[in-house]
Amino acid sequence: EAGVAQSPRYKIIEKRQSVAFWCNPISGHATLYWYQQILGQGPKLLIQFQNNGVVDDSQLPKDRFSAERLKGVDSTLKIQPAKLEDSAVYLCASSSLRGGPQPQHFGDGTRLSIL
Amino acid sequence: SQQGEEDPQALSIQEGENATMNCSYKTSINNLQWYRQNSGRGLVHLILIRSNEREKHSGRLRVTLDTSKKSSSLLITASRAADTASYFCATSDYGKLTFGQGTILTVHP
Repeated sequence: EAGVAQSPRYKIIEKRQSVAFWCNPISGHATLYWYQQILGQGPKLLIQFQNNGVVDDSQLPKDRFSAERLKGVDSTLKIQPAKLEDSAVYLCASSSLRGGPQPQHFGDGTRLSIL
Repeated sequence: SQQGEEDPQALSIQEGENATMNCSYKTSINNLQWYRQNSGRGLVHLILIRSNEREKHSGRLRVTLDTSKKSSSLLITASRAADTASYFCATSDYGKLTFGQGTILTVHP
């Protein structure tokens, strides 16, 4: 099966600019996650969708970050305006809703650098 | 906040040796998962152990879980240069994963 697709792979912007990331999960996966991974740390969950509804966005900085998952498939994550501290890798993951706990499948991420 | 704490932060071994990484966590869990991340890539799921299991094997991987001590260990036997990567434990609370800081494993040929 095709994996989780993310684009772009790299993005460099200046602070206060806006940026958007795109994710296409594995076909049939109902649950989609966005993580932020700062250099040297583990991923931190930003938002979790189940189909097109938000399950958990408790760690999403809602004053500058937004995410949507239209039609329960692709998703976009936006940052506006960007701050220096937003420099990180943004990872998208998906998982199925079959019975029992399921592993998450990750894309290769978008590496964001803020100048 | 990070739930898991991995130990050691970095581990350097020779090919053929075994590598052991430890993970401690603070709150009750539904299951615990281990992931590998190669440089510049996404995370790859390695193994999942449920809270009512004590040990699980997958190929050269062996995971143990001690819920009374809130700790887990990952053992990689007969390591290879291709095992060089960062390894993360993640505790699961009904689908939500909380990752530790990771262990950087370097296997020298």
